[in-house]
Amino acid sequence: EIVLTQSPATLSVSPGERVILSCRASQSVSNKLAWYQKTPGQAPRLLIYDASSRATGVPARFSGSGSGTVFTLTISSLHSEDFGVYYCHQYDTWPRFGQGTKVEI
Amino acid sequence: EVQLLESGGALAQPGGSLRLSCAGSGFTFNNYAMSWVRQAPGKGLEWVSAISGGGDSTYYADSVEGRFTISRDNSKNTLYLQMNSLRVEDTAVYYCAKEPYGAQGFFDYWGQGALVTVSS
Repeated sequence: EIVLTQSPATLSVSPGERVILSCRASQSVSNKLAWYQKTPGQAPRLLIYDASSRATGVPARFSGSGSGTVFTLTISSLHSEDFGVYYCHQYDTWPRFGQGTKVEI
Repeated sequence: EVQLLESGGALAQPGGSLRLSCAGSGFTFNNYAMSWVRQAPGKGLEWVSAISGGGDSTYYADSVEGRFTISRDNSKNTLYLQMNSLRVEDTAVYYCAKEPYGAQGFFDYWGQGALVTVSS
């Protein structure tokens, strides 16, 4: 069973700041990693797939990188609508999600 | 526009049953693998089950294997999750999620969710 560990658990930031979120896999998942944003009462939104490909309609301020066991999601300049919980998801084997990183004001 | 709309969420007793439905529109339903993903109160996301576009292949998380059954009716563009022998720990918001063409494994569209509460 692959375990995804996200850090930090909570990130307190201000609009305009650069944000870097981390996701580490307990074993290699190649590039089979996605990132989602979840806000209260809303459906999760796909941001990044295959570690670094931006989903349709996702702003260029979101970027993903990494392969194997270490991955990052970078938001170059945080907008107010970017607050929420971010989850990584590996799909190299049975689907698993990380525990989430909460990005708050 | 792709839309996924879940229904069937309710309060159930431990040991009881519920069936969730997810109506899809805006895409050719039978071309896409679908999944159910849940989020328990205050917890993260947990994949529950998946089904191929044709419905001939199904997959389950260990936590629901033998109790839940995923199915689909492509003539009605609808995905189902039959949940039997419900446990308190099955309490969660259940989302249906669509995979991109080719069953690539990640989820490009999600529904708004259906709340299932299991309590006596």
